[in-house]
Amino acid sequence: DQQVKQNSPSLSVQEGRISILNCDYTNSMFDYFLWYKKYPAEGPTFLISISSIKDKNEDGRFTVFLNKSAKHLSLHIVPSQPGDSAVYFCAASAANLYNQGGKLIFGQGTELSVKP
Amino acid sequence: DGGITQSPKYLFRKEGQNVTLSCEQNLNHDAMYWYRQDPGQGLRLIYYSQIVNDFQKGDIAEGYSVSREKKESFPLTVTSAQKNPTAFYLCATRQGFYGYTFGSGTRLTVV
Repeated sequence: DQQVKQNSPSLSVQEGRISILNCDYTNSMFDYFLWYKKYPAEGPTFLISISSIKDKNEDGRFTVFLNKSAKHLSLHIVPSQPGDSAVYFCAASAANLYNQGGKLIFGQGTELSVKP
Repeated sequence: DGGITQSPKYLFRKEGQNVTLSCEQNLNHDAMYWYRQDPGQGLRLIYYSQIVNDFQKGDIAEGYSVSREKKESFPLTVTSAQKNPTAFYLCATRQGFYGYTFGSGTRLTVV
């Protein structure tokens, strides 16, 4: 039962253009969402997050949008740079999961390639 | 610098052998986690510990064991009972609700 899904395994974008990475979830109890960036053979690094009480959060070139009715979130990167090439994971959690150790539920990841 | 140290970075195991992956942190975080990453899949939780001398099974604990004798250390043993141990293993700590920090990982390969 995949509660968090990233249906696009890969995405290729030209440098300077917008990258849009999508994530869908099924559990309506999720109340916090995070995006991580991961390079090969390294651990994920935190990128940006959003609480379910918001529908948008922005940090520099990165913006996350949350559509609760559609159970969908997206990460926008504008403008995209070659250094953004990595695997991006979305993750979700909920208050009841916090009582179970605060675990995160991860999507499968999307590999972004930004071409010069 | 505060952080998480995972060692070794690459580990090779013969079938039927137990191996132990090390995770050490100097962030003074109470909660520690082990996740497993397989190609095309997200990270899946193996075990977690919220306090010294206590740990709980995650979603895929079969074939793994852990200990938490010190706050700084949370080693993971991959036993011979784990049928498909080849994967990338990530240790993490948490501060506050969602302040996760991940280590750089250990790539385990069964030969």
